[in-house]
Amino acid sequence: DQQVKQNSPSLSVQEGRISILNCDYTNSMFDYFLWYKKYPAEGPTFLISISSIKDKNEDGRFTVFLNKSAKHLSLHIVPSQPGDSAVYFCAASSGLGFGNEKLTFGTGTRLTIIP
Amino acid sequence: KAGVTQTPRYLIKTRGQQVTLSCSPISGHRSVSWYQQTPGQGLQFLFEYFSETQRNKGNFPGRFSGRQFSNSRSEMNVSTLELGDSALYLCASSSGGSHSYEQYFGPGTRLTVT
Repeated sequence: DQQVKQNSPSLSVQEGRISILNCDYTNSMFDYFLWYKKYPAEGPTFLISISSIKDKNEDGRFTVFLNKSAKHLSLHIVPSQPGDSAVYFCAASSGLGFGNEKLTFGTGTRLTIIP
Repeated sequence: KAGVTQTPRYLIKTRGQQVTLSCSPISGHRSVSWYQQTPGQGLQFLFEYFSETQRNKGNFPGRFSGRQFSNSRSEMNVSTLELGDSALYLCASSSGGSHSYEQYFGPGTRLTVT
């Protein structure tokens, strides 16, 4: 039962263009969403997050959009740079405010930026 | 501030053996979570410890266990290793307080079971 799905295992984008990574979820109890970036032989690095009370959060070149009715979120990277080439994981939590709840991760999308 | 550290980085064991992995969280962080990453499965949550108590548990068999010490360092143990336990084991820490969703990961321990 995959509650967080990243249906595109890979994505290639030209340098300077926009990269859009998608994520769908099924559990309506999820109230906080995160994106992580992972390079080979390293642990995932936290990138950006969004609470379910918002529909957009922006941090520099990275913007996350949340569509609660569609249970869909996306990560936009503009402009894409070669250093963005990595595996991106979407994660969700049903924190309920009690503290650190477990994160449920998607299977990841490998982004390749073409120079 | 130093990041999350995990030891050892690489480990090779044979079936039936047991293994212990170690994790030191970011200074001041009281919550430590463990994840298993295998190809095609993403990151699967194992368990989370906060103030030496297991606070959350994933859907893994009892062969997988953990503990946390008073200094917040954590260990994870896998007994009676199986070939399918070969994976990258990741530890993540966070402050553990209310609404502290962001977790910070270590580099992982690559376990190979032969």
